Amino acid sequence: NAGVTQTPKFRILKIGQSMTLQCTQDMNHNYMYWYRQDPGMGLKLIYYSVGAGITDKGEVPNGYNVSRSTTEDFPLRLELAAPSQTSVYFCASSLQAEETQYFGPGTRLLVL
Amino acid sequence: KNEVEQSPQNLTAQEGEFITINCSYSVGISALHWLQQHPGGDIVSLFMLSSGKKKHGRLIATINIQEKHSSLHITASHPRDSAVYICAVRVDFGNEKLTFGTGTRLTIIP
Repeated sequence: NAGVTQTPKFRILKIGQSMTLQCTQDMNHNYMYWYRQDPGMGLKLIYYSVGAGITDKGEVPNGYNVSRSTTEDFPLRLELAAPSQTSVYFCASSLQAEETQYFGPGTRLLVL
Repeated sequence: KNEVEQSPQNLTAQEGEFITINCSYSVGISALHWLQQHPGGDIVSLFMLSSGKKKHGRLIATINIQEKHSSLHITASHPRDSAVYICAVRVDFGNEKLTFGTGTRLTIIP
């Protein structure tokens, strides 16, 4: 099992560009999450999904979009990148809401 | 005020010392998680607990629901324990989301 995989590992974007951060899990988990981690701050939830076709906003959803067309994949889309979106992005998954979350290795994004 | 507060923010200790990291929260919770973030950035779940105490190797996690407080202990600390330790709580039952503390950076000196 690969667990939770994320691509790319690192990306530099110019202001106004768009990109998709990919997240895939092979554990047949129902729940998937996108977090961002800024220096000195706790992880903040951007979006989450409780199953294929169902997504919901977290704490900091502005500037992002998600989709969940399959159980395995949960891509995060950034439209019109802004410097405030410079961060490290983590995808995570869990079988159920009450269970342990498994994290991907993260994507470091720099918006200049 | 953050719902989840960790202390200390930074901790440096000598190899072999007994380590305690604290987490306090201000809301009712259904579960508390301890996670470890390695220097390279990888995040690993260590414990999930809703009462009492759990032990895994040299790591022990305790929780006091009445006092809204949890501790993570490391016995016989080793330089490979150097990491950021993060506390997270699930607020109320049926809530899909975790609220995270800002982490405690632990450095163990050989």
